[in-house]
Amino acid sequence: DSGVTQTPKHLITATGQRVTLRCSPRSGDLSVYWYQQSLDQGLQFLIQYYNGEERAKGNILERFSAQQFPDLHSELNLSSLELGDSALYFCASSVTGTSGPDTQYFGPGTRLTVL
Amino acid sequence: GQQLNQSPQSMFIQEGEDVSMNCTSSSIFNTWLWYKQDPGEGPVLLIALYKAGELTSNGRLTAQFGITRKDSFLNISASIPSDVGIYFCAGRNAGGTSYGKLTFGQGTILTVHP
Repeated sequence: DSGVTQTPKHLITATGQRVTLRCSPRSGDLSVYWYQQSLDQGLQFLIQYYNGEERAKGNILERFSAQQFPDLHSELNLSSLELGDSALYFCASSVTGTSGPDTQYFGPGTRLTVL
Repeated sequence: GQQLNQSPQSMFIQEGEDVSMNCTSSSIFNTWLWYKQDPGEGPVLLIALYKAGELTSNGRLTAQFGITRKDSFLNISASIPSDVGIYFCAGRNAGGTSYGKLTFGQGTILTVHP
């Protein structure tokens, strides 16, 4: 158990819908990262938050957004869902979120299926 | 974008054999991490490397941070059936606006035959 929790474990929805994925980081970690894992693209970085502020952006679609709340949990919002958005979405957390020695621990993931 | 080339893509070995996999990058990284992922689960951190040339062990696992900072390898000695899974390397850039972002290799699928 990494200490990072994600809910829900599975999510099945229809095209055009909007969903929210939730992540709670490890105790003491200030930085949260979101990754998408699909068969054809592998593990791709989406976005990073540090202590409530956006820190870095990766290949995140405009239909996707995220935020980190004062209690440090984070939510990833996916809207106008398309079939191609079906994937595993992982949250990871680390202490500082800097480029120095700082290790990311991953949650169990949310499997999103868009029908 | 950045590319991490991880090889081999898959390995089929007998229990007890040693395994070696590696990653190479077109860019310099200041951190190399190795993760193992079981189907439907999140990646689990195996080894973290923070200095060029660093050699670190974790039980039967040994990993090294290449001196060019563009490569890393992972060795597993005396493999056992529970080593089965997908192994990923991940690198983190040296500064700039990349902050903590990780770039992942494509993964090595390991199958161990009893």
